[in-house]
Amino acid sequence: QKEVEQNSGPLSVPEGAIASLNCTYSDRGSQSFFWYRQYSGKSPELIMSIYSNGDKEDGRFTAQLNKASQYVSLLIRDSQPSDSATYLCAVRPGSGGSNYKLTFGKGTLLTVNP
Amino acid sequence: KAGVTQTPRYLIKTRGQQVTLSCSPISGHRSVSWYQQTPGQGLQFLFEYFSETQRNKGNFPGRFSGRQFSNSRSEMNVSTLELGDSALYLCASSRDTNEKLFFGSGTQLSVL
Repeated sequence: QKEVEQNSGPLSVPEGAIASLNCTYSDRGSQSFFWYRQYSGKSPELIMSIYSNGDKEDGRFTAQLNKASQYVSLLIRDSQPSDSATYLCAVRPGSGGSNYKLTFGKGTLLTVNP
Repeated sequence: KAGVTQTPRYLIKTRGQQVTLSCSPISGHRSVSWYQQTPGQGLQFLFEYFSETQRNKGNFPGRFSGRQFSNSRSEMNVSTLELGDSALYLCASSRDTNEKLFFGSGTQLSVL
């Protein structure tokens, strides 16, 4: 069973701080990694994707991937109350075979306090 | 460009009934995946369709089934509903199987 693990939180940070969200995965052959944001009562929204080791920045968001450690993280700089949501880590296995499904972690609840 | 459209938004059914959920993907997207989301289990993969073919299936009983039409629209059916089937059912589309997933608003199913 391929697993994706996240700290369920809640993670509470003050406004303006850096929020750090972490995710580990068990399938060493995984190739694609995604972060989704889900507001309460809403559907998941894709905010970042990363495929190679290292950092990928998009505005206030930075995704970090370390395949050797099977670890992916999301940093949110200058956190805003509007960032308060559940953040879902999703991992897709490598190509080949028939296992195309995207596996999600259970999510980390982030609360940004004004 | 219109997003992923799911209907209905809410459903209330009783045990033993069956239900059909509908999903229209983003125009040009040929892959449609279905997920069940519950507070305890999170997002769990049900199945994925591409060009009318089921490519992968999650660990759900045979009461859960789906299909995809030639226009990429997809339906999901649950027969003999159980209380534990109460959940948010999310449809997601992508251009191809290994592309980014975009989710619809979901169908909230309550089984009484």
